[in-house]
Amino acid sequence: DAGVIQSPRHEVTEMGQEVTLRCKPISGHNSLFWYRQTMMRGLELLIYFNNNVPIDDSGMPEDRFSAKMPNASFSTLKIQPSEPRDSAVYFCASSSGTGGTGANVLTFGAGSRLTVL
Amino acid sequence: DAKTTQPPSMDCAEGRAANLPCNHSTISGNEYVYWYRQIHSQGPQYIIHGLKNNETNEMASLIITEDRKSSTLILPHATLRDTAVYYCIGTGRRALTFGSGTRLQVQP
Repeated sequence: DAGVIQSPRHEVTEMGQEVTLRCKPISGHNSLFWYRQTMMRGLELLIYFNNNVPIDDSGMPEDRFSAKMPNASFSTLKIQPSEPRDSAVYFCASSSGTGGTGANVLTFGAGSRLTVL
Repeated sequence: DAKTTQPPSMDCAEGRAANLPCNHSTISGNEYVYWYRQIHSQGPQYIIHGLKNNETNEMASLIITEDRKSSTLILPHATLRDTAVYYCIGTGRRALTFGSGTRLQVQP
């Protein structure tokens, strides 16, 4: 298994531009998570899906952020318009199992490093 | 969700056991304790989890006190590659919430 695959690995963009981050979870995993990591705030949960349905999006900072999971093998995190304070590493993770301990055994991707100028 | 408290940093000599403590005095009876680590610039990596019994796998051992108010992650023979930030997390209603963790520096 190739693990959780994220793209792009690095993105540099200008303020106001739209950014789309992509994630392919591990095949067979039914939960998908988006986290953001900065030096100031550490690792923050943004949103997570179970069986392609958003369960908790209370961590999404504001309306400029949106996440979708159109099918079990693909998810996107979109920022529109982007701002310098969105600069961070964005991690996607997936897990299997609903409600059991397996649901909290997350496999993380390598992350997407976003820089907004 | 149980609040966890960890020392911000620790050092360990290469080849020695690294014992990383975690306090979780507010943990409820059905909440598990999970440990993850994050090596510099990589995504976090699952290590081990437990409820009340001690657990061991190929990476580490987890010792949970009888009152479940604290636990210790043990890396039996630390190597330089174990230098990382280690997170102790109590499960709850939400998905895993990471704190600031313990930065373990393994010294040669």
